[in-house]
Amino acid sequence: KQEVTQIPAALSVPEGENLVLNCSFTDSAIYNLQWFRQDPGKGLTSLLLIQSSQREQTSGRLNASLDKSSGRSTLYIAASQPGDSATYLCAVLDSSYKLIFGSGTRLLVRP
Amino acid sequence: DAGVIQSPRHEVTEMGQEVTLRCKPISGHNSLFWYRQTMMRGLELLIYFNNNVPIDDSGMPEDRFSAKMPNASFSTLKIQPSEPRDSAVYFCASSFAAYQETQYFGPGTRLLVL
Repeated sequence: KQEVTQIPAALSVPEGENLVLNCSFTDSAIYNLQWFRQDPGKGLTSLLLIQSSQREQTSGRLNASLDKSSGRSTLYIAASQPGDSATYLCAVLDSSYKLIFGSGTRLLVRP
Repeated sequence: DAGVIQSPRHEVTEMGQEVTLRCKPISGHNSLFWYRQTMMRGLELLIYFNNNVPIDDSGMPEDRFSAKMPNASFSTLKIQPSEPRDSAVYFCASSFAAYQETQYFGPGTRLLVL
């Protein structure tokens, strides 16, 4: 059974700092890995999607990497801003086309 | 496009009552997903449809839950009878295809069963 783990569960950093969020999964048989952002009381917003054949994806200040063989992904946020404060969720699309989510990392960027 | 639309946004009901949650996916998307989010269990997939056909409902907790997709632009998730442990945020999401495509989430329905 696929399990997705995110570390750390919570993170507080000062504005301007570069940071890395970690995601690991137990079964490497995935179609893709996605990073989402969730603001309090809101739905999820897709940030980046990495296909299983890809190694990384970039969007603005965000860079996500995927090492399928080791079951790991990282989300790198450069020059963090208070507006980046949110919960970040990692999810893998497993072999039965189900999106399996981690429990998230709650990020606070302090002004 | 208005994105995925869910209604109601909030629902408070008493135990034993029937609850119906509604979803309108993004036009042109062929796959629709229902998720439940709780503090204890996080986000869980309940059921997904492809071209209006239920493909996998293994995440549906029990017979009290049912979902339908009568056409490409509408889906419902029904709980009958509701119980306090059903209290959660229910999300609907859609994508162009069930695999290798980004899923777009609605704002969710916050359900409280008293």
